[in-house]
Amino acid sequence: DAKTTQPPSMDCAEGRAANLPCNHSTISGNEYVYWYRQIHSQGPQYIIHGLKNNETNEMASLIITEDRKSSTLILPHATLRDTAVYYCIVRVGGNTNAGKSTFGDGTTLTVKP
Amino acid sequence: NAGVTQTPKFRVLKTGQSMTLLCAQDMNHEYMYWYRQDPGMGLRLIHYSVGEGTTAKGEVPDGYNVSRLKKQNFLLGLESAAPSQTSVYFCASRQTGTKSYEQYFGPGTRLTVT
Repeated sequence: DAKTTQPPSMDCAEGRAANLPCNHSTISGNEYVYWYRQIHSQGPQYIIHGLKNNETNEMASLIITEDRKSSTLILPHATLRDTAVYYCIVRVGGNTNAGKSTFGDGTTLTVKP
Repeated sequence: NAGVTQTPKFRVLKTGQSMTLLCAQDMNHEYMYWYRQDPGMGLRLIHYSVGEGTTAKGEVPDGYNVSRLKKQNFLLGLESAAPSQTSVYFCASRQTGTKSYEQYFGPGTRLTVT
């Protein structure tokens, strides 16, 4: 799986958009970008994933650059409950490698009032 | 659906004691995983299973054993606990198929070894 690089921490004002970057310059053509988050002491929670097109769901938007070497997770209107560690993971889809994912250290997002 | 559940939620062991952590999922997922998370760090894969009766080693398997006798259950055993195994343990499960699927995580078991 491709290696990812994320900033260790970020702050965001409540109600503003939170933009979390992820660099994955060695990504392969068949690797997806996944985002999970982990709210304090809880199990990680899936947010969104994409291959090359931008994706949006009820939680967030995922913007993947055209060369696929980086991506940005966007929380459009951050709330205090979005304070968490956000993990960017790159892996092949389907059953390759038993679906294993490598979780790095992630980005700690702190939403402030 | 309860999703992924873990038993127990908390446990304190003395060095050398043994215990088993239970993970159960009701989503009929084939793949199941055990991770550990030390303070301030990301998750590390201990063992995983691609189906009933199968297990495989992950990144940090030493000191742990696992069993998958039933599809819905994945057990993690510590035969002789050590202080270095103090951690939070998370179980996860995932659907199989040609598409890309996410992992579903349990709430975690907080283990302290004194």
